Amino acid sequence: QVTLKESGPVLVKPTETLTLTCTVSGFSLSNARMGVSWIRQPPGKALEWLAHIFSNDEKSYSTSLKSRLTISKDTSKSQVVLTMTNMDPVDTATYYCARIKDGYNYYDYWGQGTLVTVSS
Amino acid sequence: QSALTQPRSVSGSPGQSVTISCTGTSSDVGGYNYVSWYQQHPGKAPKLMIYDVSKRPSGVPDRFSGSKSGNTASLTISGLQAEDEADYYCCSYAGSYTFWVFGGGTKLTVL
Repeated sequence: QVTLKESGPVLVKPTETLTLTCTVSGFSLSNARMGVSWIRQPPGKALEWLAHIFSNDEKSYSTSLKSRLTISKDTSKSQVVLTMTNMDPVDTATYYCARIKDGYNYYDYWGQGTLVTVSS
Repeated sequence: QSALTQPRSVSGSPGQSVTISCTGTSSDVGGYNYVSWYQQHPGKAPKLMIYDVSKRPSGVPDRFSGSKSGNTASLTISGLQAEDEADYYCCSYAGSYTFWVFGGGTKLTVL
């Protein structure tokens, strides 16, 4: 059974760095040509793609947020980590991780999401 | 502002059909047959409903169908049911620089 689960702080202060972890099970990050994206959704607003890491460790980022984002993975822990620097209240959102197979272009499994609030 | 344009809302009565459009450009929707659609109920994660423009994952009712013409993709839901009331998002591959872009979402109300 494939699952993804996001974890991280519920509240961060402006200018701080956010670190989110996506723990996966039911598939391997080191083979099977599986990649993971981070996607966010501000309250009442649309989904926004943030970053993706491929099975070969290649990374891609949203052009508008690239300077603030870093995605990485620890295959031994089955985890994908996203860091976002210089957090601002407009970054308040539910952050999702989702699976996408290399060479494919749809998200077949999503995590439940984690709401991050940016406030002093 | 989202990269792909969707109507903010659509509505229909039970048993009717509704179509949700998703308009992009030749760099995304029009350039690739990689449009997917996601259903999202309040407080829940998105669920894949259509991929590669018109393919349905197993378990998704055949009342859901997808199509594309030029730079516009469409999701049609026939035989509307109360449980179809949700937000729907389109997503398109946009090349090896931008990768994936989402639409602004459409709220479907079943009257």
